[in-house]
Amino acid sequence: SQQGEEDPQALSIQEGENATMNCSYKTSINNLQWYRQNSGRGLVHLILIRSNEREKHSGRLRVTLDTSKKSSSLLITASRAADTASYFCAAFQGAQKLVFGQGTRLTINP
Amino acid sequence: GAVVSQHPSRVICKSGTSVKIECRSLDFQATTMFWYRQFPKQSLMLMATSNEGSKATYEQGVEKDKFLINHASLTLSTLTVTSAHPEDSSFYICSASHDGPGNTIYFGEGSWLTVV
Repeated sequence: SQQGEEDPQALSIQEGENATMNCSYKTSINNLQWYRQNSGRGLVHLILIRSNEREKHSGRLRVTLDTSKKSSSLLITASRAADTASYFCAAFQGAQKLVFGQGTRLTINP
Repeated sequence: GAVVSQHPSRVICKSGTSVKIECRSLDFQATTMFWYRQFPKQSLMLMATSNEGSKATYEQGVEKDKFLINHASLTLSTLTVTSAHPEDSSFYICSASHDGPGNTIYFGEGSWLTVV
């Protein structure tokens, strides 16, 4: 079964706007990861946030984690057309199995 | 950085034949690799955990006799789809952990399988 539920499933915004995607998970985690996938391609690791962290930044990306609510969000600021992709959160189920949320398909309109 | 390579990137096969997909960790050793399956516009579903030198661990609902996994070395895992059928057409992705469980996972570029 999948660990995470993401919303929205699809998001379409104008270039330059901020995009926020949310992920909720079911079990306790040590860390949560966000990945990006361009259509028909492999996954690119974006950022990892540990369970004792509340917020983390990487360039135009900002990830938050609320372990009390079992939720995380990914914010992409000043979006660009090249940010168009699917974004997945993922967490470990047990020691080794990385399971994914349903993903958000983000479209940035020029 | 760590790189995981998959081959082939695209393959078309006839119904009833078998297809092998390779997953290699290029600059690190991976005792554990993972195989995922992804249908269009859907998420990745974990199929099995590939363990070097031992049998793979399959997720519930995945037929181990149909999806044969071999992890013969610390840098290579293979997935063989046996007696492929059109419903097996999908995107198959492998991954490996660079520093062991609980850390960053690196993914291959995926393999598109089309069964005709």
